[in-house]
Amino acid sequence: GENVEQHPSTLSVQEGDSAVIKCTYSDSASNYFPWYKQELGKRPQLIIDIRSNVGEKKDQRIAVTLNKTAKHFSLHITETQPEDSAVYFCAASIQYGGATNKLIFGTGTLLAVQP
Amino acid sequence: ETGVTQTPRHLVMGMTNKKSLKCEQHLGHNAMYWYKQSAKKPLELMFVYSLEERVENNSVPSRFSPECPNSSHLFLHLHTLQPEDSALYLCASSQDPEGFTYSPLHFGNGTRLTVT
Repeated sequence: GENVEQHPSTLSVQEGDSAVIKCTYSDSASNYFPWYKQELGKRPQLIIDIRSNVGEKKDQRIAVTLNKTAKHFSLHITETQPEDSAVYFCAASIQYGGATNKLIFGTGTLLAVQP
Repeated sequence: ETGVTQTPRHLVMGMTNKKSLKCEQHLGHNAMYWYKQSAKKPLELMFVYSLEERVENNSVPSRFSPECPNSSHLFLHLHTLQPEDSALYLCASSQDPEGFTYSPLHFGNGTRLTVT
């Protein structure tokens, strides 16, 4: 079946450093790739997403890159801050039986930013 | 209140109990979802409702029974659960008009369920 692999499972960086989280997906028909951030005890929240017709998207300190040929996409966080500490989930969409899309999630990356 | 609201936040139930989880979205969305979040596992999609019709039942045991009376409300009825069903249950909504293939999910805060 379809799956999304996410690495690393944990990542510790010093404040100010960059963090990179990588995901690979299996379904070549996937066309939407969101990233969610989940702080401890809180809901997952969308932080950035990318469609299959672009290769890169940036929003301030956060960027996502997509390589459709290799079927992988990455989240890049620059100038990390302690408030970036959270679990980050990648996901890939799979359309089925109509318009509602289904997201397959990765297992998550626990990012710890050390002050 | 805006967004997606879930009640209760925490629930402890015995294996013979019957309980229900409630979700309400105030975003005007037409699709609602139940996800299960367990430690060290990906978010697992359980059920999807689009325009109040169930469009996905992802091989979920019958002890979980969803109900979507209208596009703003979603319930998950629980009965005779097992300890391994203990997890965080997340509700989400999205806007999925016909032919639109991607729209962000908006999650609730979840219900932390413990089955004893």
